[in-house]
Amino acid sequence: GAGVSQSPRYKVTKRGQDVTLRCDPISSHATLYWYQQALGQGPEFLTYFNYEAQPDKSGLPSDRFSAERPEGSISTLTIQRTEQRDSAMYRCASSLAGGGAYEQFFGPGTRLTVL
Amino acid sequence: AQSVTQLDSQVPVFEEAPVELRCNYSSSVSVYLFWYVQYPNQGLQLLLKYLSGSTLVKGINGFEAEFNKSQTSFHLRKPSVHISDTAEYFCAVSAVNNNAGNMLTFGGGTRLMVKP
Repeated sequence: GAGVSQSPRYKVTKRGQDVTLRCDPISSHATLYWYQQALGQGPEFLTYFNYEAQPDKSGLPSDRFSAERPEGSISTLTIQRTEQRDSAMYRCASSLAGGGAYEQFFGPGTRLTVL
Repeated sequence: AQSVTQLDSQVPVFEEAPVELRCNYSSSVSVYLFWYVQYPNQGLQLLLKYLSGSTLVKGINGFEAEFNKSQTSFHLRKPSVHISDTAEYFCAVSAVNNNAGNMLTFGGGTRLMVKP
């Protein structure tokens, strides 16, 4: 596609519910990143994929968070048993390849609110 | 590991005045440096980046930044701001390597508020 898209743009859920966020990267991009951005802070790394492989999960805050990219394109981020502290903007980015010099293109984000 | 500090959370400035947004970083390895801008309800957009070579880099919308290795800084400047520059600005670094993936480490952001 023309850019990175994310859905939904806004999600309100009750504590304890599961949520799944979707990211559709730029079609030629091999590498996909997920970041979490709390209000008033900069984005923080969660995990990344190189095609369908997920070499680094070090940023995922707990085992309630998981991500997948089964066909090396669209990715989903799932949060199980949501807690209020999970409320944040979740940002997806993609890049042509994984090296640090490659620009990461960001989607508009999903604003998650856990009540 | 890397860390990024943006010293000013908010910078108010009048239109057509110059502005500098400060960024300092800490890293045990060499890094690439980036500035991103976030307009309301939009994703982060790359303003400029330093990979190697000349320490003064120019980006979009008239912004420039200078990499100072001895001071571990990468301050963003614009000689004359416009109302449309009102946005949040993020400084970020990534480690220089050839790994398959390379996360960005961001600062906390600086909100630039341009007043008429």
